[in-house]
Amino acid sequence: DQQVKQNSPSLSVQEGRISILNCDYTNSMFDYFLWYKKYPAEGPTFLISISSIKDKNEDGRFTVFLNKSAKHLSLHIVPSQPGDSAVYFCAASALTGANNLFFGTGTRLTVIP
Amino acid sequence: EAGVTQFPSHSVIEKGQTVTLRCDPISGHDNLYWYRRVMGKEIKFLLHFVKESKQDESGMPNNRFLAERTGGTYSTLKVQPAELEDSGVYFCASSQDLNMAYEQYFGPGTRLTVT
Repeated sequence: DQQVKQNSPSLSVQEGRISILNCDYTNSMFDYFLWYKKYPAEGPTFLISISSIKDKNEDGRFTVFLNKSAKHLSLHIVPSQPGDSAVYFCAASALTGANNLFFGTGTRLTVIP
Repeated sequence: EAGVTQFPSHSVIEKGQTVTLRCDPISGHDNLYWYRRVMGKEIKFLLHFVKESKQDESGMPNNRFLAERTGGTYSTLKVQPAELEDSGVYFCASSQDLNMAYEQYFGPGTRLTVT
């Protein structure tokens, strides 16, 4: 059973606008959440993370929001740039338990120039 | 610093054959992970080594998969005999600190196609 879900397989956004990628999880034991970015023929690259004790973490153009009660997180990219076009994976971990990451199915973001 | 490397980048084999995938982690990283992504689905955890010991192999699909990590350096993942459903991209990742989940550095993956 999939514990991390990304229900939008793709998203297209105009350059300069905001991109919002969404992720839901089911396991209440998850206490650390990550976003990875993946280009074709490359492995996932860590982008930004958030601990369950926070509800927001910002790094430049990237902000991750966490709503624990809804078991939902989102990644905001503003302004979006053509180089942001990639597949974005949401991942979760229970740091107090196993160290492996649970990934979603990914959302393909296309930023249109 | 060299990143995580994987070999081969792509392998095409027939059902019933054997394939061995190799992963070289970042030097000094004690933790090594194998993940797999079947087309269009999520990236799924297979197993985790700490040095040469298997810490967690709960994600291994069945006994046709055998992972080893000789001397705590590189790791191999053997599939024998391969089945059609084994097709996918196999990712290796490594990390130095067990408690820093985000510090898993991924290799480019091996695309396995079983025909």
